[in-house]
Amino acid sequence: DAGVIQSPRHEVTEMGQEVTLRCKPISGHNSLFWYRQTMMRGLELLIYFNNNVPIDDSGMPEDRFSAKMPNASFSTLKIQPSEPRDSAVYFCASSPNRGESKNYGYTFGSGTRLTVV
Amino acid sequence: GDSVTQMEGPVTLSEEAFLTINCTYTATGYPSLFWYVQYPGEGLQLLLKATKADDKGSNKGFEATYRKETTSFHLEKGSVQVSDSAVYFCALSGTSYGKLTFGQGTILTVHP
Repeated sequence: DAGVIQSPRHEVTEMGQEVTLRCKPISGHNSLFWYRQTMMRGLELLIYFNNNVPIDDSGMPEDRFSAKMPNASFSTLKIQPSEPRDSAVYFCASSPNRGESKNYGYTFGSGTRLTVV
Repeated sequence: GDSVTQMEGPVTLSEEAFLTINCTYTATGYPSLFWYVQYPGEGLQLLLKATKADDKGSNKGFEATYRKETTSFHLEKGSVQVSDSAVYFCALSGTSYGKLTFGQGTILTVHP
């Protein structure tokens, strides 16, 4: 299996532009998580999907952030408009299923490093 | 709610030194416990895990024992290498939909 695949690896954009980050989870995994990592705040869970349905989006910082999972093999995280304080590494992770996460943990992608100038 | 506390870093060691990174947790019920490692420029990788009390997880020379009485899951390695330099995260998975709660991470630097 190729693991969790994220694209792009690096993104540099100007303030005010729309940014879309993409994630392909491991085939057969039913749970998908988006995290943000910064030096100041560490790892923050943004949103969690189970069977393509958003279950917990309480970590989404504000309305500028949105996430979708149109099917089991694809998810996007969109920021519109982007701001310099959104600069961070964004990780996607997947897990076999809601109950198995407890024993399995997550498999993380390599992340997207976003820089907003 | 669930929480994980790791020892503050960074930790700097010489090659072949003994490593301990402390991790304590707060959770209801019977969580599973994990250690993840993040090498520079990469995502987090599962290093080891333990799913019940007194279990010992081990991998690549690293070990951690699930101690329910002290609510701890300390990471140890007998002889570190330069290649072990990375950020280490302790995490727990409690009863809430398998959500992982992470500690703040500990930066380890190993010098030759």
